[in-house]
Amino acid sequence: DIQMTQSPSTLSASLGDRVTITCRASQYISVWLAWFQQKPGKPPKLLIYKASYLEDGVPSRFSGSGSGTEFTLTISSLQPDDVATYYCQQYNQYSPAFGHGTKVEIK
Amino acid sequence: QVQLVQSGSELKNPGASVKVSCKASGYTFSDYGITWVRQAPGQGLEWMGWITTYIGNTNYAQSLQGRVTMTTDTSTSTAYMELRSLTSADTAIYYCARGGGNYPTARVNDHWGQGTLVTVSS
Repeated sequence: DIQMTQSPSTLSASLGDRVTITCRASQYISVWLAWFQQKPGKPPKLLIYKASYLEDGVPSRFSGSGSGTEFTLTISSLQPDDVATYYCQQYNQYSPAFGHGTKVEIK
Repeated sequence: QVQLVQSGSELKNPGASVKVSCKASGYTFSDYGITWVRQAPGQGLEWMGWITTYIGNTNYAQSLQGRVTMTTDTSTSTAYMELRSLTSADTAIYYCARGGGNYPTARVNDHWGQGTLVTVSS
């Protein structure tokens, strides 16, 4: 099975900062990677699919990049509403898998 | 608009079974698969499996093989997930999500249910 490694596990940044989260796959997954945002008590929300495609209605400050085994999620200017846990998910393989999550906080 | 509405919270004894439902609306049910994901208290997301709604093909996580069954009722646009031989380790919020199938393009989970809390305790 493909393992997904996210870093960092926790991130503290100031409002307006550029924030980057990294996800590494243990095997080649082409561009079949999604990013989700989850707030406490809520289901995950799809932000990015196919590594870099922004889901409808998601603010343009979110962007995704990468292919193969290395991927990044970038928030260009951190806002209060972005406080959440972020998960990457590979869906190249028959059995998709999530990363362990990155908790984003405001400094 | 696309909606997935799940059944309510469950409290089960160890060794029992639970069946969670997920009723879809706002789209053609048979055009998309349904994926199930669970989240233990304070933990991350665990992919459980998916079912294709037009044929009923299933793909389960190896860790749950033999204990989980996913089904659909296309007449009511409802998906079901049954988990048997419950232990305290199965205490979690269970989510259904639209998406899942044989090809990567079909597997994106773009809409999610509100979640169903299953508590396993004697």
